[in-house]
Amino acid sequence: SQTIHQWPATLVQPVGSPLSLECTVEGTSNPNLYWYRQAAGRGLQLLFYSVGIGQISSEVPQNLSASRPQDRQFILSSKKLLLSDSGFYLCAWSVGRGSSYNEQFFGPGTRLTVL
Amino acid sequence: GEDVEQSLFLSVREGDSSVINCTYTDSSSTYLYWYKQEPGAGLQLLTYIFSNMDMKQDQRLTVLLNKKDKHLSLRIADTQTGDSAIYFCAPASGGSYIPTFGRGTSLIVHP
Repeated sequence: SQTIHQWPATLVQPVGSPLSLECTVEGTSNPNLYWYRQAAGRGLQLLFYSVGIGQISSEVPQNLSASRPQDRQFILSSKKLLLSDSGFYLCAWSVGRGSSYNEQFFGPGTRLTVL
Repeated sequence: GEDVEQSLFLSVREGDSSVINCTYTDSSSTYLYWYKQEPGAGLQLLTYIFSNMDMKQDQRLTVLLNKKDKHLSLRIADTQTGDSAIYFCAPASGGSYIPTFGRGTSLIVHP
């Protein structure tokens, strides 16, 4: 069966510090991968998605970046965190077959607080 | 892009029915999903409906789709305290088929 891992679960970082969040998927190949941010009162915002190694699409201009160094690994990074980067970060995967049915499977999330 | 609107809160008594409403803007939406989020956790797919259907029933869940008005609803029959969670409406448009999530409706079930 497929599983998705995210770490760390909780993170408290000062403004201006770097960030690296990691997501890995097990039990599937060639998944589509996604990073979402859930900020208080603002719903779920798609940040990045990837259909393959090294292929990243950015949905929202910001100081965050994403990379996919391996098929089942997705990393979210920042060189300098802002207060507005605080939120709940969710990684998700879906079957990468180009099907119109696109159920997404979410990880447990990382709670990031920038102080 | 797609805009998705949901009311933020719904409070019901245990045993009653809950109806969560959603409106969206993109008429080319193909699959329309409902996800559930337990406190402090990720989201899980609850149910979905394809755009050529008006209604879908799955045990206690009923999804209604009005394509003309771009209105989607989720009805939970015999609501239980375990149903307390945030419910997200997420229509997916043609092209990338990536769903756009609403802000979520917090369902509070009290005894």
